[in-house]
Amino acid sequence: DAKTTQPPSMDCAEGRAANLPCNHSTISGNEYVYWYRQIHSQGPQYIIHGLKNNETNEMASLIITEDRKSSTLILPHATLRDTAVYYCIVRPFTGANSKLTFGKGITLSVRP
Amino acid sequence: GAGVSQSPSNKVTEKGKDVELRCDPISGHTALYWYRQSLGQGLEFLIYFQGNSAPDKSGLPSDRFSAERTGGSVSTLTIQRTQQEDSAVYLCASSLSPDLSGNTIYFGEGSWLTVV
Repeated sequence: DAKTTQPPSMDCAEGRAANLPCNHSTISGNEYVYWYRQIHSQGPQYIIHGLKNNETNEMASLIITEDRKSSTLILPHATLRDTAVYYCIVRPFTGANSKLTFGKGITLSVRP
Repeated sequence: GAGVSQSPSNKVTEKGKDVELRCDPISGHTALYWYRQSLGQGLEFLIYFQGNSAPDKSGLPSDRFSAERTGGSVSTLTIQRTQQEDSAVYLCASSLSPDLSGNTIYFGEGSWLTVV
């Protein structure tokens, strides 16, 4: 079972920041937070991951609360191409039990 | 190649026939995963290979499903006596060794299987 909780959907206006929340209140000390997205009919695409510090790359920023029980994925300037299902996943950072367990994700709709 | 490569990209087969789906992982990746996604559904884990270890087959839905990985690289997922409920996109993914902290799993574009 997925160990994360995400709202089923949200929308935002093109050009604005999209802030996607995720709760992971039972996260363990050896688990990272990963974000993937799946654009219709494509394979999941890796976005970003983090352990406890905030992370930023060319796609997005990841803000993890100090207690690590929740996080927010930020797409700073959403475009229509960012419309997708976004998955927040917790995963042990080493070891054999490292497969990704996907939940239902959050459907982000970017409107013109 | 630069990414995970899967073939065929689309396959239509008759009920009862066997199918084979192929996955070429990213060069150097020792871990390989198969997932399935039925229309409108979430991603379902099927099987996981890591190096020479015994595969984790805990997600295979029935004994009609099997997979092998030859030479630690290419993997083949075989579905015998296909049923209509097997229609789905089958996704392959790979990563560096899970013993490496924070390694990332990368997915292919999937093989779309339709059983008629």
